[in-house]
Amino acid sequence: QVQLVESGGGVVQPGRSLRLSCAASGFTFGSYAMHWVRQAPGKGLEWVAVISYDGSNQYYADSVKGRFTISRDNSKNTLYLQMNSLRGDDTAVYYCAKDGSGSRLDSWGQGTLVTVSS
Amino acid sequence: DIVMTQSPDSLAVSLGERATIRCKSSQSVLYSSTNKNYLAWFQQKPGQPPKLLLYWASTRESGVPDRFSGSGSGTEFTLTISSLQAEDVAVYYCQQYYSTPPWTFGQGTRVEIK
Repeated sequence: QVQLVESGGGVVQPGRSLRLSCAASGFTFGSYAMHWVRQAPGKGLEWVAVISYDGSNQYYADSVKGRFTISRDNSKNTLYLQMNSLRGDDTAVYYCAKDGSGSRLDSWGQGTLVTVSS
Repeated sequence: DIVMTQSPDSLAVSLGERATIRCKSSQSVLYSSTNKNYLAWFQQKPGQPPKLLLYWASTRESGVPDRFSGSGSGTEFTLTISSLQAEDVAVYYCQQYYSTPPWTFGQGTRVEIK
């Protein structure tokens, strides 16, 4: 059974950096693209970034392009999100999600909360 | 980018009654060569992550009760809960995965018990 466990969230000052991790199990991690999706408090879902199964391609939402970097280590079954130059509007629960057939997001982690505040 | 618009923003339905949520995309999400609509529905209960309910607009994910059904094609879609149960109280999101990136979601529809 697919399990995705995010970690690394916390309170960080504006302009600082944070790295999130997502530990995957229950499936062949290196065969699937992976996503980050976020949800600001009381708001809807916003797709953030995707990385191909082998890490060779990455795509980002315009709101994070140039500040966030998605990466993966298939030997460790782990997905990462490096977040730099954080702003208040980056405050959200960050979910990692597995890409399924046709690129639907078929499994999600429980999320990790990132709060950007001075 | 494809914009997804849901209606209504919220609805209250009596237990055992039907709940209907609509989703409209700013352009078609029907891929002609496969005749599949790249449209998914998610359920998010308070304090929980989203859960995939339906994909290809009408295919239920494994384990999803058959009171949940999806219909529509092209740009207009519907999620129907045929007989609302207490455990169905949640926010429901539609999402397109036809033209990506980005993957885009509707704004969500909150379903409550009347």
